[in-house]
Amino acid sequence: EIVLTQSPATLSLSPGERATLSCRASQSVNKFLAWFQQKPGQAPRHLIYDASTRATGIPARFSGSGSGTDFTLTISNVEPEDFAVYYCQQRSNWPLTFGQGTRLEIK
Amino acid sequence: EVHLLESGGGLVQPGGSLRLSCAASGFTFTDYAMSWVRQAPGKGLEWVSAITISGDNTYYADSVRGRFTLSRDNSRNRVYLQMSSLRAEDTALYYCVNSGWSDWGQGTLVTVSS
Repeated sequence: EIVLTQSPATLSLSPGERATLSCRASQSVNKFLAWFQQKPGQAPRHLIYDASTRATGIPARFSGSGSGTDFTLTISNVEPEDFAVYYCQQRSNWPLTFGQGTRLEIK
Repeated sequence: EVHLLESGGGLVQPGGSLRLSCAASGFTFTDYAMSWVRQAPGKGLEWVSAITISGDNTYYADSVRGRFTLSRDNSRNRVYLQMSSLRAEDTALYYCVNSGWSDWGQGTLVTVSS
């Protein structure tokens, strides 16, 4: 099983700042890495797939990068509605796995 | 509009069984593989199982393999997750999601407790 390790566990920022979230895989997942956002009481929202492709309707301030084992989700200018928990997911190998999440909180 | 409606959750004793159902509409069901993802209270996301379009292949998380069985009925646009030998650690909100990953149901809550 591929283990995904996200860092930091919690990121405290003010609106307007840049957020950089990391996801590291225990072995290569090529480009098959996705990102989700989840707010309390809601289902996850699909942000990024194939490491860097934005899902339908996702604002351009969300961008993904990386390949192999190291990936980054960047939110260029954090908006108030972006404070949430973010998960990475690998789709390279069965079983699919999620990271443990990074909480983006208001500073 | 895509709809995924989960049902079948509830309270069950340890060692018991439940069958979850997911009714899909608003998209061509036979164009998508389907997955279940669960989330224990206050915890993160855990992928549980997936089934291919034809239903010929299924995949499971190590934590549920041998206890859960995923199936689909393409004539009824439904997927079914048969859960047996349930444990306290299976307590979670169970989501149904298609392989586009952008459309999720609202989830059905499974509670395993005596």
